[in-house]
Parts: sequence; structure tokens; C-alpha cells
Amino acid sequence: EAGVTQSPTHLIKTRGQQATLRCSPISGHTSVYWYQQALGLGLQFLLWYDEGEERNRGNFPPRFSGRQFPNYSSELNVNALELEDSALYLCASSPKYGGYTFGSGTRLTVV
Amino acid sequence: GNSVTQMEGPVTLSEEAFLTINCTYTATGYPSLFWYVQYPGEGLQLLLKATKADDKGSNKGFEATYRKETTSFHLEKGSVQVSDSAVYFCALSDALNTGFQKLVFGTGTRLLVSP
Repeated sequence: EAGVTQSPTHLIKTRGQQATLRCSPISGHTSVYWYQQALGLGLQFLLWYDEGEERNRGNFPPRFSGRQFPNYSSELNVNALELEDSALYLCASSPKYGGYTFGSGTRLTVV
Repeated sequence: GNSVTQMEGPVTLSEEAFLTINCTYTATGYPSLFWYVQYPGEGLQLLLKATKADDKGSNKGFEATYRKETTSFHLEKGSVQVSDSAVYFCALSDALNTGFQKLVFGTGTRLLVSP
């Protein structure tokens, strides 16, 4: 069974640009969670998508957004990038009431 | 709000030593508790979990017991290997019955095992 796939693995952007990160969940999983792992800040919950809808978001500004597609894959968009957005972004998928499986992450560097 | 506190690292051990990484939590209700491991350059892997008081989670020689009376979920291993070197995260989730499985993580503890 294929795991959770994230792309790209690494992404380098300039301050002010937009970044798009992608996540393909495990087949049959309908929920996708996004987390940010920034240096010194630990792992912070960003967004939860389920059945194509944004269900909950963490304490992040609106320039962090995303969507979930009919095949349950998901995109995370970060607009107007700031230096402090540099982090490892982790996606996880789960069935409705089951446990998570994490992907390997996308490392975003803002210069 | 819910929170997880785990011991500062790094924890430095020799191979075959006994490992304890302390984790305590604050939560309303009855959370589920997890230990995740992150190897260099990789994402998080679930190591073990416990969903109710007195449950013991175990995997790959690691174990942790859900202690409600002390709000703790300490990770232990009897004999560590060099390959166990990684960052270990304690986490809780208090919403498994609602479908929303937000995890609250501790800050992580780096384990370094030398031969």
C-alpha cells in the first residue's frame, strides 16, 4: 500500500512569492491534516480537510490556505511568503475515525 | 488548553543503555496519547499509542503506559541501539470520537546513541 506522498520534497521561494505544496493521501483516507514544523516552534496544527471541505484551522493567518480535491488529495498554499514561513510542512491522512499516517514532508525555504 | 510537556534533550546514551523520556500532559476529558519518532530528514512515524488509562503501548522494544493519576506517558526502552537515534515526540489527541483528530505535540526530545 502506498503511503502519504508529498511534493515537492524541497521548495525554495523568495519573500513575497506564493508556495504550493501537495499531498496525496493513502487510498481510502478521506481526511488530510497539515502541520508546520518550524525551528524552535515545534509541530503546529495548520488545517484539516475532510470530504472536500475545510473543517478546522489552527492559529495561522489567512494567507495560509488550501483545498481538498474530489480524489481527497490536498494542496496547501502560502501567499505573501515571509522568512518565518521557512519550515517543514507535514501532511497526514486518516480514515474517518482511524489514526494518522504522515508523509515525509516538504521543506520550504524562504529567502 | 491541552498541552504536552516532554523533557529537554538531547539525551545521550551508550548502546544497550536503558532509556526513559518523560512526558506529561494537560487535557480535559480522556485524551489518547502517542509517541512519534522522526529520523533525520524524514516525516513522523507512529511509534506507539494508548487510548485509555492504564493501557500500555509497545512497539520495537519501546513501551509507554498511560497513567491518568500522574498525567504521564513516559517512553522506555530496555536496551537502546545506535539506530534508535532520532527525535521523539509525545502527543495527545482528545477528539477521536468526533472525527477531528488534531494532535498536540510536545517539543520533541533528541536521542543520540553512541556505539
